[in-house]
Amino acid sequence: SQTIHQWPATLVQPVGSPLSLECTVEGTSNPNLYWYRQAAGRGLQLLFYSVGIGQISSEVPQNLSASRPQDRQFILSSKKLLLSDSGFYLCAWSPRGAGTGVPYEQYFGPGTRLTVT
Amino acid sequence: GDSVTQMEGPVTLSEEACLTINCTYTATGYPSLFWYVQYPGEGLQLLLKATKADDKGSNKGFEATYRKETTSFHLEKGSVQVSDSAVYFCALSHQAGTALIFGKGTTLSVSS
Repeated sequence: SQTIHQWPATLVQPVGSPLSLECTVEGTSNPNLYWYRQAAGRGLQLLFYSVGIGQISSEVPQNLSASRPQDRQFILSSKKLLLSDSGFYLCAWSPRGAGTGVPYEQYFGPGTRLTVT
Repeated sequence: GDSVTQMEGPVTLSEEACLTINCTYTATGYPSLFWYVQYPGEGLQLLLKATKADDKGSNKGFEATYRKETTSFHLEKGSVQVSDSAVYFCALSHQAGTALIFGKGTTLSVSS
């Protein structure tokens, strides 16, 4: 079966410090990978998605970046955190494929709670 | 653009009460529809899904029917339990590999 891991689970960082959040998926190959942010009292906002190694699409311009150095690894980074970067960061994966029968649902990791102080 | 609208919470119920959480969507074509559940401090879990009109998704006593004519996907359960307390998200997707479009979530609190 497939599992998705995120770490760290919680993080408290000062404004202006760098950030690196990691997500890995086990039990599948060539997944689509996604980073979402969930701010308090708001829904989920897609930040980045990737359909392959080195292929990153950004949905929201901001001071965050993403990288996919390996097939099942997705990293979210920042050089200098802002207060507004606080939130709950969720990584998700979905099967990759073409044509009919490919499921559209995504499967989420446990999340990282980031507090910028 | 596509959007999902959910009823505002919180929804507070007693154990064994009936639950309905309304969800309507705006989208072109025929998206797939989903309900996700988020327990405190955790990620989202897929609760159920429907991929075409009149499909009924069901899981753990929850069900929802894809209504194309009313663009709705309301979540229902006949008898809620304290363990059902969580945030419920309605979502849609047009194709694999693209973003899920989420509603803002509805908080359910069930007391014994």
